[in-house]
Amino acid sequence: AQTVTQSQPEMSVQEAETVTLSCTYDTSESNYYLFWYKQPPSRQMILVIRQEAYKQQNATENRFSVNFQKAAKSFSLKISDSQLGDTAMYFCALRGFGNEKLTFGTGTRLTIIP
Amino acid sequence: NAGVTQTPKFRVLKTGQSMTLLCAQDMNHEYMYWYRQDPGMGLRLIHYSVGEGTTAKGEVPDGYNVSRLKKQNFLLGLESAAPSQTSVYFCASSSHIGLAGVYNEQFFGPGTRLTVL
Repeated sequence: AQTVTQSQPEMSVQEAETVTLSCTYDTSESNYYLFWYKQPPSRQMILVIRQEAYKQQNATENRFSVNFQKAAKSFSLKISDSQLGDTAMYFCALRGFGNEKLTFGTGTRLTIIP
Repeated sequence: NAGVTQTPKFRVLKTGQSMTLLCAQDMNHEYMYWYRQDPGMGLRLIHYSVGEGTTAKGEVPDGYNVSRLKKQNFLLGLESAAPSQTSVYFCASSSHIGLAGVYNEQFFGPGTRLTVL
């Protein structure tokens, strides 16, 4: 079984600041994929960033980057220069290689304060 | 290219009524999924399908049935709705799970908000 834990139910940060969202996971698989999804008030689930476990280099997508610590089973999301449009729920998710199912964390509600 | 669409977007049912949620995708994806989202619980998998004519149970399948008669469509049925099924339902699809390095991320529909009174 695989589990994903997001221990920060809510966070808030001033616009233009940097914020880090935490995610820890557990899996018995040696290779797997990790994802961060964003869910704005529109409810649409949007893929923000993804990481394959066997790749040591941390993924980056513009202002979004991850800190992937495989030994610690940690996959945090850093948002730089935060913008009002970043206000959303953020979900961390895990899929084992060859596994068709995705396991989600319970989410972190992020509010960017003007 | 519409991606993943869901019908309807909102629905109110009375306890005991039945309904079907329709999911359609135009990306020729093999895999399709139904999730429910409840406050504080993230997304939980109800049922999924790895191909036309096949379905499998997820984490919370009780009270739901599904069918995948066509590759592009995945139906979620509630035979006798209960207040505990009040939730937001998401459909998702992904391509065939294959080689290493292929992320096969899931693409989501816009969700259906269902209220059971």
